[in-house]
Parts: sequence; C-alpha cells; structure tokens
Amino acid sequence: GAGVSQSPSNKVTEKGKDVELRCDPISGHTALYWYRQSLGQGLEFLIYFQGNSAPDKSGLPSDRFSAERTGGSVSTLTIQRTQQEDSAVYLCASSLRREAGEQFFGPGTRLTVL
Amino acid sequence: GQNIDQPTEMTATEGAIVQINCTYQTSGFNGLFWYQQHAGEAPTFLSYNVLDGLEEKGRFSSFLSRSKGYSYLLLKELQMKDSASYLCAVSILTGGGNKLTFGTGTQLKVEL
Repeated sequence: GAGVSQSPSNKVTEKGKDVELRCDPISGHTALYWYRQSLGQGLEFLIYFQGNSAPDKSGLPSDRFSAERTGGSVSTLTIQRTQQEDSAVYLCASSLRREAGEQFFGPGTRLTVL
Repeated sequence: GQNIDQPTEMTATEGAIVQINCTYQTSGFNGLFWYQQHAGEAPTFLSYNVLDGLEEKGRFSSFLSRSKGYSYLLLKELQMKDSASYLCAVSILTGGGNKLTFGTGTQLKVEL
C-alpha cells in the first residue's frame, strides 16, 4: 500500500477483555515496530520484527502483551486481560530494512480501557 | 539505558526562527532523528543525523555533536502550520535492529 495502515483506528473495551490491534506495513518493508504513546508522553518502544521473527521484545510491558507477524507483512499486537493503564495510542512503523534509518508511522490505534 | 531531554514547550512568532534542543546519553549510538507530530496524527520524519554537523533541508535544519550528546532542530520562517510536537529520537543499532528511543517531545506553538 501507499503507507502504513492500522486498524481499528479507535477501540473502546472493558477492563479484563482481550484486544487485537492490526498493522499493515508498507509493501517491501522488512522491519516493523510497535510503539505506545500515552497522553502527554513520548513514544515507548514495545517490540520489533525483522521479517517474521521478533529479535527484540524488550519493550513489552508485561506478559499480557504479545505480537506476531506472518508472511513478513501484517502484524498483530494482542493485549490480554486489558487494564486501564493500557489506554494509549498504539503506533506501528515500518522501515525498508533493519539498518534503514527512517521509520514510517501508521496513524495509530487509540485504545481506551474502561 | 538511554536518556533523552528536550524542552517541554516553546512559543515563537510567525516568520521568526526557533531552535529546539535535545541532549542525550546513550550507548551504541547510531544516529539521531527528528520527527514532527501534529495533534492526533502519526509522527512524520524530518531529519536524520549520524555524523557531526549541520544538515539542511529547506526551512528545517538539524545539527549534531556526538561528543557533546547534543542536537538541535532549527526552523526558519515559521508558519502557523509548524505548530506541532517535535520529537527527538536516538537510534541504536542492536542485534534487534534499528531501535529508536524517543524523547517526550517539544510542543511548539507559533503565534501571529
């Protein structure tokens, strides 16, 4: 596609429910990143994929968070048993390859946990 | 770990010049990025510095001093549309790839 796309754009859920967020990177980009941005905060790195593998999971805040990427393209970020502190904008970015500098961001998914 | 500092907010006048500073402490430095983020939108790439010196791109310039752990973003001929948050991000190349650590951003307000 022309840019990174994410769905849904907005998600409101109840505490304790599971949510799944989707990211579709730019075609041909091998590297994919997930970030979280809480209100008034900077971007917090969550996880990185090179192809289908995730060599860096250091940013995942707890074991309730997981992510996968299939076919070297679409990625899903799953949050189990959501908590109110999970409320944030979840941003996905992709870059051409691991060493490539510029990351292209999607529009984000705004998650609200009630 | 990494530590990135930039001012929380700045105000400037339309047509003027503004400099947004960023200081960082990190290991495995692999470059410094500036991103622009308008409210409710995704960050967009502005500049990338990996060597010391000034990179100019139109109304925007970015400077890096690796020995001082210091960068600045210079915006000239400010326009109202430049009102946005400016994010400084340090790149570290690890086995896990090109990892960006972001500062909290500088909210720039351009006034008439």
